[in-house]
Formats: sequence, structure tokens, C-alpha cells
Amino acid sequence: DIQMTQSPSSLSASLGDRVSITCQASQDIGNFLNWYQQKPGKAPKVLITDATKLEAGVPSRFSGSGSGTDFTFTITGLQPEDFATYYCQQYDNGPRATFGPGTTVDMK
Amino acid sequence: QVLLVQSGAEVKKPGASVRVSCKTSGYSFNAHFMHWVRQAPGQGLEWMGRINANNGDTGYAQKFQGRLTMTRDTSISTTYMDLTRLQSDDTAVYYCARGKYYDFWSLDYWGQGSLVSVSS
Repeated sequence: DIQMTQSPSSLSASLGDRVSITCQASQDIGNFLNWYQQKPGKAPKVLITDATKLEAGVPSRFSGSGSGTDFTFTITGLQPEDFATYYCQQYDNGPRATFGPGTTVDMK
Repeated sequence: QVLLVQSGAEVKKPGASVRVSCKTSGYSFNAHFMHWVRQAPGQGLEWMGRINANNGDTGYAQKFQGRLTMTRDTSISTTYMDLTRLQSDDTAVYYCARGKYYDFWSLDYWGQGSLVSVSS
């Protein structure tokens, strides 16, 4: 299976900050990468698909970039509701998928 | 609206099997994949596998091969996840999650989660 690494594993930030999380795949996955947000006790929510496409209804302060093996997720102007854990997910056009280990964003 | 409602919490002994169900409503069941994702306490998300609700085709993560089975009953728009030979490290919340239409691997609706506890 394709392995995913994420960095950092956690970060502390202040309201209004620009936050970036990177995700690296163990082999080329093109743009087959999604980003999810999860809050404690809740199911994850998809934010970005195909590396760069913002899901309907997701605020534009969230963005994604990258292709191949290296990807970045950015929050521009951190809001109180953005403190959560973020996961990348690769699917390499099937037949399997893998999540990254996650990055927790908490308040500085 | 789209709903995925999972079965309740389970407590199992090591070596036992568990079945978790995911009953759906509010969309065309056959037009989507259903994925299963689990999360051990305090840990990250782990993709387990998926089923094509239209034809029943399945694909599983390598680590679950041989003890994971996903099935569906189209007459009641329900997907099932069976995991056998349970061990303590299978203790987790198990989620079903719908793959988007024409983007089968992006998970847009999730069940509420089912806690499976494995303990002697």
C-alpha cells in the first residue's frame, strides 16, 4: 500500500494566522489526494478533493496545492472553528486508499 | 437529506467476529461506493476498504485481507462490514462513509460511528 506522511504532527497557532500542513506520498499519486477536517467526537468532513478543489460550502480560507508526491494544505486567516485535526487521504485512482497520520491544530 | 445510520456499540471477546451495519437513505444507493474507516482511541483514521453498492465489488486494505468482508443489501439500502478474529487492537470507532458520485474515493457523508470494544 502507498504510505503517507504528514508534517507537522501538531502545531499551535493564533487566530488570523496562516497555517500550512504538508503531506507526502511514498509514490506518485498524481492529484488523487483529499483533505479532511475532524473535530473531537465527530466524523471527518471533506474539505479539499483532487488536491486543489474546494468542496461546496467550504470557506475559501482553505486551500490545497501539489501533485505527484508532495502536497500542501493551507488555512489563510485561522478562525476559532478551525482548531481541529486534519488528515490527507490518497487513493491513487483505486483500488485502495490511505490516510495520513493527521495534524492537530491547536491554539497558541 | 442524505443519512447514514450505523448499528450500535458492540463488546466482543478476542477471537470473535463483529458485524456493523450502515443503513442509508436520501440518495440513490446503487450510484455510490461505501467505504469503511476506523479510528482507534486517540489515534488517526484508517481506511479499511470499500464496496461498490451497484455490483458488490469490494477492495480491502492489505492488512485486513482474509478477515474483512463487506456486503450490501440493495433492497434495504444497507451496507455491512464483517470483521473476524478480533483482537484488542481492533478496538475502535468504525465509520461508514459514502464515496461521492463520480468521485468514488472522496468521502462526503459519514455515519455516526459504531464503537467496537474487544476485551477478555
